[in-house]
Amino acid sequence: EIVLTQSPGTLSLSPGERATLSCRASQSVSSSYLAWYQQKPGQAPRLLIYGASSRATGIPDRFSGSGSGTDFTLTISRLEPEDFAVYYCQQYGSSLGYTFGQGTKLEIK
Amino acid sequence: QVQLVQSGAEVKKPGASVKVSCKASGYTFTSYGISWVRQAPGQGLEWMGWISAYNGNTNYAQKLQGRVTMTTDTSTSTAYMELRSLRSDDTAVYYCARDQRQLYAGYYYYYMDVWGKGTTVTVSS
Repeated sequence: EIVLTQSPGTLSLSPGERATLSCRASQSVSSSYLAWYQQKPGQAPRLLIYGASSRATGIPDRFSGSGSGTDFTLTISRLEPEDFAVYYCQQYGSSLGYTFGQGTKLEIK
Repeated sequence: QVQLVQSGAEVKKPGASVKVSCKASGYTFTSYGISWVRQAPGQGLEWMGWISAYNGNTNYAQKLQGRVTMTTDTSTSTAYMELRSLRSDDTAVYYCARDQRQLYAGYYYYYMDVWGKGTTVTVSS
């Protein structure tokens, strides 16, 4: 089973700053199998990025995804107040199904 | 608009079973699968399994094999997740999500693009 490790666990930044979130896989992952989600307290997760770098419908262009192989990154270019949330990466492992990273909490500094 | 509406909160005793429903609307139900994901209090996301709404094929997480059953009713565009022999560590919010498996430019893409609001299941004696 592929394990996804997200870092940092918590990221403290101010609105307007740039956020860089990392997702590292224990084995190589096909880019088309890698997605990112945002979750706010009391809400369901929301799809941000699929295929490692494609933005989902309605996602602002300040969100971008990159990476390949074992290292993937979610970047938020200029943080807005509504961006402070928990972010999860996810990969598809064929017959083993999906696995999620443990999450990165993005908090206001 | 595309949405998934889940059934209401449940409180169950250890050893009991729970069945959560997820009613889809706004899209052709049989063109997609449904994944179920749960989240224990203060914890991360855990994938439980997937069902094809087209043919009923399933794939369950190994740790839940034997305790979980996922089904669909195409006449009502509803997916169901039943979890048996409940334990206290099954206490969680259970989400259904539309599972996209899309072939594009020679590559398959896998992700969950629409989520239900979640169903809280509490297991307590």
